[in-house]
Formats: sequence, structure tokens, C-alpha cells
Amino acid sequence: GAGVSQTPSNKVTEKGKYVELRCDPISGHTALYWYRQSLGQGPEFLIYFQGTGAADDSGLPNDRFFAVRPEGSVSTLKIQRTERGDSAVYLCASIKRGRIEAFFGQGTRLTVV
Amino acid sequence: GNSVTQMEGPVTLSEEAFLTINCTYTATGYPSLFWYVQYPGEGLQLLLKATKADDKGSNKGFEATYRKETTSFHLEKGSVQVSDSAVYFCALSDPGSGNTGKLIFGQGTTLQVKP
Repeated sequence: GAGVSQTPSNKVTEKGKYVELRCDPISGHTALYWYRQSLGQGPEFLIYFQGTGAADDSGLPNDRFFAVRPEGSVSTLKIQRTERGDSAVYLCASIKRGRIEAFFGQGTRLTVV
Repeated sequence: GNSVTQMEGPVTLSEEAFLTINCTYTATGYPSLFWYVQYPGEGLQLLLKATKADDKGSNKGFEATYRKETTSFHLEKGSVQVSDSAVYFCALSDPGSGNTGKLIFGQGTTLQVKP
């Protein structure tokens, strides 16, 4: 596609439920990143994929958060037993091999009620 | 650890005024520096970048110079327009980590330009 696509754009879920957020990166971009942006703050790094493997998951806040990228393209961020504190905008970005410019999607706004 | 500090907003200016948004950083090694912009209702977009000391990034009339001696990357524009109203984020990445997209962002500065 022309840009990074994230679905859904908005997600409201009840506390304790499981959610999946999807990211479709720019075609041909090998590196994929997930960030979380709380209200009034800058994005914070969660996890990085180079190809299919998670090369750096040091930003995941706890073991309720997990992400996969099974075929080296689309990625899914999974959150178990959601908490109200998980409410934020979740951003995905991709980078072309050999470049440093990250292209961001419009994000998924997650609200846990 | 690495960090980015931006001036607090909101910054309110009249059209055609001069803009400066301050950004300073703390980093080990030699980071690349970026300004991203988030227009209302849109995603983050790269505005400009600089990869080494004394480099000047520029785009759409905006400029920022990588100053290693003052660890700064201030954003400037000579004459702002209403359409420049947005949230601006300064960010750094440490290419020495082998992970160029692992960005550390400032908290963002909201710019409001009035006609």
C-alpha cells in the first residue's frame, strides 16, 4: 500500500478483555516498530521486528503484551487482560532497509473501560 | 540514558511570525536527530532530519541544525502559516545500537498559528 495501515482506528474494550491491533507496513519495508503514545506525551518504543523475529522487545511494559510478525510483513500487537492504564494510541512504523526514516501509521486509539 | 527535552507549549503565534521550538538531548554515542509533525487528525510525519554534527535539516521552510557542542536541535521557521498549526516532536535514534528506528521522543510542542 501507499502508507502504513493500522486497524482498527478505534477500539473500545472492557477491562480484562483481550485485544489485537493490526499493522500493515509499507510494502518492501523490512523493519517494523510498535510505539505507544499516551495523551499529551511523545510516542514510547515497545518492540522492533527485523523480518519475522522480534529483535528488540525491551519496551514491552509487561508480559500481557505480545507481538508477532509471522511472515515478515503484517504484524499484530496482542494485549491480554487489558487494564484501564493500557488506554493510549498504539502506533506502528516501518523503515526501508538501509534508510533511517520511519513512516508511521495513523494509529489505533485503544480505550479500556 | 538517552533523552529528549522540548520546550513546553502551547506556542501561539500570529501568521508570518518567526518560530523557534527548542529541543535539547542527552545521548551516548552519535545519534541521528529528527523532527516529526502531527497535524490534527493525521499520523506522525517526518519533517526533517540530521545525521551528524553541523548538519542542517530542512523541509517546507523549516530548518534545524545539529549542534553537538550544545546538544541541541532547535526547530525554526522564518514565517509561519495557519496551516503549520500542529504538534511537533523532536526525536533521536542511536545508529550505534543497530536499531535506527528505535526513536526516543520529546513530549511534543503544540503550535497554534492565528490569522
